Amino acid sequence: AQSVSQHNHHVILSEAASLELGCNYSYGGTVNLFWYVQYPGQHLQLLLKYFSGDPLVKGIKGFEAEFIKSKFSFNLRKPSVQWSDTAEYFCAVNTDSSYKLIFGSGTRLLVRP
Amino acid sequence: SQTIHQWPATLVQPVGSPLSLECTVEGTSNPNLYWYRQAAGRGLQLLFYSVGIGQISSEVPQNLSASRPQDRQFILSSKKLLLSDSGFYLCAWSLTSGLGVEQFFGPGTRLTVL
Repeated sequence: AQSVSQHNHHVILSEAASLELGCNYSYGGTVNLFWYVQYPGQHLQLLLKYFSGDPLVKGIKGFEAEFIKSKFSFNLRKPSVQWSDTAEYFCAVNTDSSYKLIFGSGTRLLVRP
Repeated sequence: SQTIHQWPATLVQPVGSPLSLECTVEGTSNPNLYWYRQAAGRGLQLLFYSVGIGQISSEVPQNLSASRPQDRQFILSSKKLLLSDSGFYLCAWSLTSGLGVEQFFGPGTRLTVL
């Protein structure tokens, strides 16, 4: 069965530090990849998505992610985090004409001012 | 623009009581609708999805059921709640099924079963 792994459950950074959150999926076919973010007290919202083409995807608020097919990975990055990036981040995959989004367990990011 | 509403925002219910959570979408027609449960440290688990009125598919066996009485209304129900039904329930919609289609999430309902 398809699955998504986010290995970092809790990450604590200081402002201006660089961020990389890992996401790996298990599926051999065509995938589309998503990062969602849930800020405290807010809806889950889309940060960025990959469908096809350039494997380096840029999203909102300075985030980017790189799809590396050979590694089954879609890591999220930001060169310099801000306190306002404190949130929970979810990686998700959908596969081969499926309606389903398969989510990872999430990573809680705390950015200290 | 499209909006998605869920209510109630929080709910505390005793074991064995019934449940009804409602989700409505505005600003779009014939959306696909989804119910997820979010448990701490476990991501989001898809419970039900619907591609049209009266069409419900269940993803996992459980104590819950779903109904779609109108195009933009999705209801999550239970006849008798269990302790294990506690969690954060999210409703979502998308325009069509298939690859690359973004899902939009509601604000969620925090359910505590005592």
